[in-house]
Amino acid sequence: DIQMTQSPSSLSASVGDRVTITCRASQSISSYLNWYQQKPGKAPQLLIYTASSLQSGVPSRFSGSGSGTDFTLTISSLQPEDFATYYCQQSYSTPWTFGQGTKLEIK
Amino acid sequence: EEQLLESGGGLVQPGGSLRLSCAASGFTFSSYAMSWVRQAPGKGLEWVSGISGSGGSTYYADSVKGRFTISRDNSKNTLYLQMNSLRAEDTAVYYCAKDNVPGIAAAAGFEPWGQGTLVTVSS
Repeated sequence: DIQMTQSPSSLSASVGDRVTITCRASQSISSYLNWYQQKPGKAPQLLIYTASSLQSGVPSRFSGSGSGTDFTLTISSLQPEDFATYYCQQSYSTPWTFGQGTKLEIK
Repeated sequence: EEQLLESGGGLVQPGGSLRLSCAASGFTFSSYAMSWVRQAPGKGLEWVSGISGSGGSTYYADSVKGRFTISRDNSKNTLYLQMNSLRAEDTAVYYCAKDNVPGIAAAAGFEPWGQGTLVTVSS
């Protein structure tokens, strides 16, 4: 199975900050990497698919990059509604696997 | 608007069985692969099982292989997960999720997701 490792596991930041979350795959997954946002008590929502494509309806302050084994999710200017947990997920091969999550908290 | 609505969760004893359903609306159900993803209390996301749009191909995580069966009824726009030999470690919120785009299964992620249904395995 492909292991996905996110860093950091938690992060404190302020409104307006630029934030970067990284995700590393245990083997090359080309660009088959997706990012999700999950708020407490809610289902996850897709933000970025295939590493860098912005899902319809998602604000442009979210962006993704990377290929192979190393990927990043960047939020250019944090808004109050962005405080949540973020997950990466590989869709290169089954079983589809998720990172352990990054909890983004208000400083 | 694309919508998914899960049902069938509840409290079950270890070794018991449960069948989850996911009713889909707002899209051509048969054109999209579907998956079940679970989340144990306070934990991260774990993909459980997936099925192609036709139902001809199914996929399972090792943790549920041989115990869970995914299926779909395209005439009813409904996805199912039959869960047998349940264990305490199967306790979780179970989400159904649609492939973001048709074609290669899960290639572009999952969207949307249902609201989830809680399965609790305990004596």
